[in-house]
Amino acid sequence: GENVEQHPSTLSVQEGDSAVIKCTYSDSASNYFPWYKQELGKGPQLIIDIRSNVGEKKDQRIAVTLNKTAKHFSLHITETQPEDSAVYFCAASKGNQGGKLIFGQGTELSVKP
Amino acid sequence: DTAVSQTPKYLVTQMGNDKSIKCEQNLGHDTMYWYKQDSKKFLKIMFSYNNKELIINETVPNRFSPKSPDKAHLNLHINSLELGDSAVYFCASSQGTGKRGYTFGSGTRLTVV
Repeated sequence: GENVEQHPSTLSVQEGDSAVIKCTYSDSASNYFPWYKQELGKGPQLIIDIRSNVGEKKDQRIAVTLNKTAKHFSLHITETQPEDSAVYFCAASKGNQGGKLIFGQGTELSVKP
Repeated sequence: DTAVSQTPKYLVTQMGNDKSIKCEQNLGHDTMYWYKQDSKKFLKIMFSYNNKELIINETVPNRFSPKSPDKAHLNLHINSLELGDSAVYFCASSQGTGKRGYTFGSGTRLTVV
């Protein structure tokens, strides 16, 4: 069945370092890959997304890369700040399933000052 | 202005009771969702409605009944609550099939005792 694997489950970095979170999806028909940030007590918030016709997308300190052949996609956060501390989720979707997102298991990122 | 609002934020109830969670979005989106987040923070889709029509029903027990009176509202009614129903329930909305991302509500923490 459809599955998204996310690693690592926890990640601790020093402020200013980079953080990388990796996801692998099982369904080759997936064509939309969003990333969400969830702060404590809040709902997930979309931070960046990428479509299958693009290999890389960047928005300030955040970038996402997609390797369709390997069915991998990754989130890169540079110059991390304490306010980046949160749980990050990757997700995958196909265009013909009414918007259904399959989420990864989440990565708890801790940025130490 | 809250884009996707859920009520109540917290719900503590006894086993066997019936309860409802309400969701409203003011974004003009045509698709709304219910997701369940378990104690390990795993997010899984339950239902999706597009223009008041049910389009996704993910093997959820029939004790759970969604209702969409109009495209801005999606409510969730749960009958005969069980201990295993304890979770955070998130409402979300998107335009079309979500390829511009979802907007999530802040969640309803349901505790069944």
